[in-house]
Amino acid sequence: GAVVSQHPSWVICKSGTSVKIECRSLDFQATTMFWYRQFPKQSLMLMATSNEGSKATYEQGVEKDKFLINHASLTLSTLTVTSAHPEDSSFYICSGGSMGQGHSRQFFGPGTRLTVL
Amino acid sequence: SQKIEQNSEALNIQEGKTATLTCNYTNYSPAYLQWYRQDPGRGPVFLLLIRENEKEKRKERLKVTFDTTLKQSLFHITASQPADSATYLCALEGGTASKLTFGTGTRLQVTL
Repeated sequence: GAVVSQHPSWVICKSGTSVKIECRSLDFQATTMFWYRQFPKQSLMLMATSNEGSKATYEQGVEKDKFLINHASLTLSTLTVTSAHPEDSSFYICSGGSMGQGHSRQFFGPGTRLTVL
Repeated sequence: SQKIEQNSEALNIQEGKTATLTCNYTNYSPAYLQWYRQDPGRGPVFLLLIRENEKEKRKERLKVTFDTTLKQSLFHITASQPADSATYLCALEGGTASKLTFGTGTRLQVTL
């Protein structure tokens, strides 16, 4: 099956610093990658959709200048949380997407736990 | 506004019984409905997809039904095992950009 990796799996940083999270599709080319955020005991909330080589599309309420997304290749997307604050502490999950038989098929990474002190 | 609700936050059942999880939605016309399993600290894993024109889909011990009139999907795990203990998420897909909208999830605990 299609595999998506994320790095790092967890990170602790000080308030005000920036953190970069990598998402890689290991055995397929993901023309579209999705970034989600999940707070404890809550569901996944889509933050943004990125297509290779173009600007990401952010969901309402997600600050694009704070959550920088780069999708430079068909196998790599990065999410940079700039000037992180404690309220940004969350579980960040990416997925690589492909269209199959008319529907979206997303393959999820294992997630990155961000803790901002 | 669009809303997806999964019947209960947690469901406890005995090993060997059938677990039934519910996903209800409002103000949405999904073309597809998907079910995922998520273990603690991990990303979701795809289980099943059902199309709007399908009533039922099966895969091994899993069965999904989709009623677009009731705006509801039921997810069944037969002969449940402790290894089935996890959070199960339903996700709706429709419209453009192939976006998935997830429900809040139901945490299933299967006990011996």
